[in-house]
Amino acid sequence: DGGITQSPKYLFRKEGQNVTLSCEQNLNHDAMYWYRQDPGQGLRLIYYSQIVNDFQKGDIAEGYSVSREKKESFPLTVTSAQKNPTAFYLCASSRDSHNEQFFGPGTRLTVL
Amino acid sequence: SQKIEQNSEALNIQEGKTATLTCNYTNYSPAYLQWYRQDPGRGPVFLLLIRENEKEKRKERLKVTFDTTLKQSLFHITASQPADSATYLCALDLAGGGNKLTFGTGTQLKVEL
Repeated sequence: DGGITQSPKYLFRKEGQNVTLSCEQNLNHDAMYWYRQDPGQGLRLIYYSQIVNDFQKGDIAEGYSVSREKKESFPLTVTSAQKNPTAFYLCASSRDSHNEQFFGPGTRLTVL
Repeated sequence: SQKIEQNSEALNIQEGKTATLTCNYTNYSPAYLQWYRQDPGRGPVFLLLIRENEKEKRKERLKVTFDTTLKQSLFHITASQPADSATYLCALDLAGGGNKLTFGTGTQLKVEL
């Protein structure tokens, strides 16, 4: 089955620690995205990548970092510089620009 | 500043009726607009995409309209069912934005028996 997976589903981290969220897709999509969703708010774009080895900052990139070394994978690192990291993180992919995005199941990160 | 507005209050309707959700935007010139469905604790699921030169698009019981003059999209679900209960998100692609979608906050729909 083709799809997009995220792991883990739930993640707990202590303040001051970096943590990496996994996102993998086997849809052969060129573009991948990371969003953050807070209660009662829409999705906000953190980073996106339109092609391997290239990525751009979204609207709220501060305190986050990404890499795109393989087409299938787009991991997101939440660094200790992120002031308010507790949120629901969603990864998505799309075939190319101007097409629908396919979302993963999300990772709920809680900072203790 | 750029802004997308969806009804923040939940929409409650009776089974079998038509649900109409609104998405208004300001200061955008979107090349297209998308609608997604999101269930609690899950990722959004794509429903429909409508381009700036299209007035209306249909898919089964779903219909989307796009009025670039009014800067508004309407999303209709006909013959609604309890299984349609979810949060519906509209998302805009800024023209030439490289598929960077900007999402509204969503409208929660509850279809009651």
